[in-house]
Order: sequence, then C-alpha cells, then structure tokens
Amino acid sequence: GQNIDQPTEMTATEGAIVQINCTYQTSGFNGLFWYQQHAGEAPTFLSYNVLDGLEEKGRFSSFLSRSKGYSYLLLKELQMKDSASYLCAVRDSNYQLIWGAGTKLIIKP
Amino acid sequence: NAGVTQTPKFRILKIGQSMTLQCTQDMNHNYMYWYRQDPGMGLKLIYYSVGAGITDKGEVPNGYNVSRSTTEDFPLRLELAAPSQTSVYFCASSTTSEGDEQYFGPGTRLTVT
Repeated sequence: GQNIDQPTEMTATEGAIVQINCTYQTSGFNGLFWYQQHAGEAPTFLSYNVLDGLEEKGRFSSFLSRSKGYSYLLLKELQMKDSASYLCAVRDSNYQLIWGAGTKLIIKP
Repeated sequence: NAGVTQTPKFRILKIGQSMTLQCTQDMNHNYMYWYRQDPGMGLKLIYYSVGAGITDKGEVPNGYNVSRSTTEDFPLRLELAAPSQTSVYFCASSTTSEGDEQYFGPGTRLTVT
C-alpha cells in the first residue's frame, strides 16, 4: 500500500529552527509537496521537490532524498504565526497526490 | 481573482438526505479535485477532473457523484447521507504543469446526524 509518515505533533520556541520529517512509500514518485494548514483553514502551498537536494525559499527550506524515500521541511527564525499543521504529499505514478496526516507545530514564546 | 470558492461553509444533514456541495474557480484551471479531511487523517481524494466533461474516481468515491459541465464548476453530490460522511470537504484546482500547486477553497464542514 501507499504510506506517508510524519510526526503527529512538534513543539518549538519562537526564533528557533525546527525540522519536520516525512518518509514515504508510494507506487511511483512524481514529486513531493509541502503545504501549510492553519486551524480551520484550507491548505496553502509551501514547496515542491522532484529532484534530490535542498530547495530554499526564504525562511522555509525543503529537502528530498528519493533513494531513501525521505523529505524534511526546515523552518528558520520561527514566528508565532508559523503555528499550523504541515502536510507532506507525494504525487504517485497516477499523478494523484497521496497525503500524510500532517504535523501540528506548536510555537511557544 | 476570487480563486476557488465553495458553498456552503457549514451544513448539517439528517441521515438519508442528499445535498450538493458547490465549487467554482476563476483561474481557468483544467484540473479540479474534491477531498475530504477527517480529524487526524490526511486528505483523501474523492473525485477529480482533468477538464470539462471528464471525471474520474479517486481513493474514496463511494457515496458521492460529480459532474464537470464547465471549466469553472465542479459540484459534488452526496446521495443518501451517512454519518461516515461527516467531514470537512475541500475543493481544489491546478494547472497541468509539472510542479503545479493545488489551490484550495475554504472548505465545507458537513455533519450528518
């Protein structure tokens, strides 16, 4: 079957750095996405990786290792507004997105 | 651009009732999707469409139907509502590009009692 694993919840301190991991086992791979979802709101796009390596976008970076079925999202200089769930999704061989359950990130002052 | 809009925002249905969830996008996207999100679970794809007149089943299509008569609209029909359909429903759209992101509507919170 297809499976995407993320930690359920993480806690970090304002101004710090946090890394959210995602491991996947899917039928085929056509890219990995990270989305942010604030409570009661819709997911919004953060990043896309299709080749191995690091993609940097401001305070957020995303890393992919296809051979290990592994990705992480790195958030720097954490702000209170970063408190949200972070969803990892993999596009499979049918070009459909398979979603992880999300990681709830709690930021403490 | 309004992006992706959904109506209603909230709805309570009795078991056995039917309803249609509306979804409209004004970005001229070919691809549209319907997901459901249950607490503590990932988004599950219900149906998707790659263009007007073309629809296909996703991972959890049972109990739902869709149509796509125009590029803009992609309504989701629930027939004979069941408590298991209590969920938050999201509509999304995207282009056909390789790394394209999906744009989500605000969601519909549905409770079936």
